[in-house]
Amino acid sequence: GQQLNQSPQSMFIQEGEDVSMNCTSSSIFNTWLWYKQDPGEGPVLLIALYKAGELTSNGRLTAQFGITRKDSFLNISASIPSDVGIYFCAGGGNNDMRFGAGTRLTVKP
Amino acid sequence: NAGVTQTPKFRILKIGQSMTLQCAQDMNHNYMYWYRQDPGMGLKLIYYSVGAGITDKGEVPNGYNVSRSTTEDFPLRLELAAPSQTSVYFCASSYSQGGTQKVDYFGAGTRLSVL
Repeated sequence: GQQLNQSPQSMFIQEGEDVSMNCTSSSIFNTWLWYKQDPGEGPVLLIALYKAGELTSNGRLTAQFGITRKDSFLNISASIPSDVGIYFCAGGGNNDMRFGAGTRLTVKP
Repeated sequence: NAGVTQTPKFRILKIGQSMTLQCAQDMNHNYMYWYRQDPGMGLKLIYYSVGAGITDKGEVPNGYNVSRSTTEDFPLRLELAAPSQTSVYFCASSYSQGGTQKVDYFGAGTRLSVL
């Protein structure tokens, strides 16, 4: 089946630093999406990407759909304490989506 | 809009018991999904539905059943609970006009323990 490899598994950064995480797959996807999950909650959609090469921003977040359609990255600039959480990538196929295992982000004030 | 509402929030089952996890959305979304999330793992798709009366298996459907009699509701049924079904279950929904998928909203989850 389609497997997504998300890295890093966890990150410990200082407030104000920039963060980068990525997702790769052996299969191509039609969409790439990034979600954030806070403890005890469901994931919340941050950014959706629909075309190879597409670069999209949402505030301090920027994500790109890789040109091979097999990868995507998410950058967070100038991190703040409320950025803490687990970030998931997801690849969208024709009728389903597959999720990465998540990147757990800790931001030290 | 309430979004995606899941009930119950928590449940403990004994091995062999059955239960139904309820899910409702009020956004008139055509697609609905059930995912499970195990500790330290991503979400795995159990079943999905592209509209009322239509359901299909996802990645891990064994031990579960679903139905979609209305646009709003998508219950997930566990017939003979097993310890391997201990997990957090998320219902989700989205609107799609065809094919390419994007899950828009997740519910808050149902935490299920099977002992």
